[in-house]
Amino acid sequence: GENVEQHPSTLSVQEGDSAVIKCTYSDSASNYFPWYKQELGKRPQLIIDIRSNVGEKKDQRIAVTLNKTAKHFSLHITETQPEDSAVYFCAASISYGQNFVFGPGTRLSVLP
Amino acid sequence: DAGVIQSPRHEVTEMGQEVTLRCKPISGHNSLFWYRQTMMRGLELLIYFNNNVPIDDSGMPEDRFSAKMPNASFSTLKIQPSEPRDSAVYFCASSNSLGGTFGSGTRLTVV
Repeated sequence: GENVEQHPSTLSVQEGDSAVIKCTYSDSASNYFPWYKQELGKRPQLIIDIRSNVGEKKDQRIAVTLNKTAKHFSLHITETQPEDSAVYFCAASISYGQNFVFGPGTRLSVLP
Repeated sequence: DAGVIQSPRHEVTEMGQEVTLRCKPISGHNSLFWYRQTMMRGLELLIYFNNNVPIDDSGMPEDRFSAKMPNASFSTLKIQPSEPRDSAVYFCASSNSLGGTFGSGTRLTVV
């Protein structure tokens, strides 16, 4: 089955700097890669996703890149702000609505 | 749409008691997932249903855990008997071809 690894497990950056979180997956059939943000005490919420026919997707300060050959994808946050502090989960699935396999999460702290 | 609705939000129970967690998925979503989240183990998939049919229950920790989805608008996760190590936040999520949404979770404490 699918296995998703995520690095780093914790990340601290200064406000205004960029943050990058990387994930790898094992099942080459996976074609949908969402990213979720979970603030303390709240539910994980979808922030951006990418499909396997796209190499990069951007939404304001957030971007995701996908390398299908290497089976890895990354989340990039630019101009970080304190409200970006949260746990971020990557996930992979074979198709929409199927079993999302989550990575273990990255705790991002943005220091003022 | 009110999103994925879970109840109760908090549950405190004594060891050995039966616990039932409830979930109402978003209307029109054809997949439903139950997750457990702890500090030690992170976010773990317990079971997921597609069109009300259990597809993968390999994440269910043991026979004390069971899940049902009698119709497209309701699912339960039952723990019987409960143990202190079951204390966690249990999330339900539903999805369709456009992606997935999590409920607010049930914080379970077994004392």
